[in-house]
Amino acid sequence: GENVEQHPSTLSVQEGDSAVIKCTYSDSASNYFPWYKQELGKRPQLIIDIRSNVGEKKDQRIAVTLNKTAKHFSLHITETQPEDSAVYFCAASKEGSQGNLIFGKGTKLSVKP
Amino acid sequence: DSGVTQTPKHLITATGQRVTLRCSPRSGDLSVYWYQQSLDQGLQFLIQYYNGEERAKGNILERFSAQQFPDLHSELNLSSLELGDSALYFCASSVEMNFANYGYTFGSGTRLTVV
Repeated sequence: GENVEQHPSTLSVQEGDSAVIKCTYSDSASNYFPWYKQELGKRPQLIIDIRSNVGEKKDQRIAVTLNKTAKHFSLHITETQPEDSAVYFCAASKEGSQGNLIFGKGTKLSVKP
Repeated sequence: DSGVTQTPKHLITATGQRVTLRCSPRSGDLSVYWYQQSLDQGLQFLIQYYNGEERAKGNILERFSAQQFPDLHSELNLSSLELGDSALYFCASSVEMNFANYGYTFGSGTRLTVV
């Protein structure tokens, strides 16, 4: 089955700096890659997603890139703000089959003012 | 409010007991997924239901079971509880089995504490 590795497990940046979180997946048939943000004690919330027919997607200060050949995808946050502090999870799945998402173990991002 | 409702929000129970967690999916969503999140752990997939039928199983213990009812709400039953079962249990829903462009919407979770 699918296995998703996520790095780093913790990341600390200064406000205004960029943050990059990287994930690799094992199943070459996976074609849907969402990212979730989870604030302390709250539910995970979808922040951006990408499909295998797209190499990059942007939404304001966040972007995701996908390298299908290398089977890895990354989350980029620019101009970080203290409210970006949270745990970020990447996930992978195959559409059209069992739709369950397999999540990475998460990255705890701390943005210092 | 995400539209996915989970009850109760908090549950404290003793080892050996049985509890039932409830989830009502977003209106129109046919798929329900259950995830377990232990302290400092990621989201472990337990089980998926689609329109009343079990579709996929993950790392779900034999002591755990689930079902989805005709009105599409789902229940996760945890029995013979152990201290290690203490966790946050999330339910998520999506519009169809291959969830198209919508991804998952998570509920607020049920925090289970086994003492």
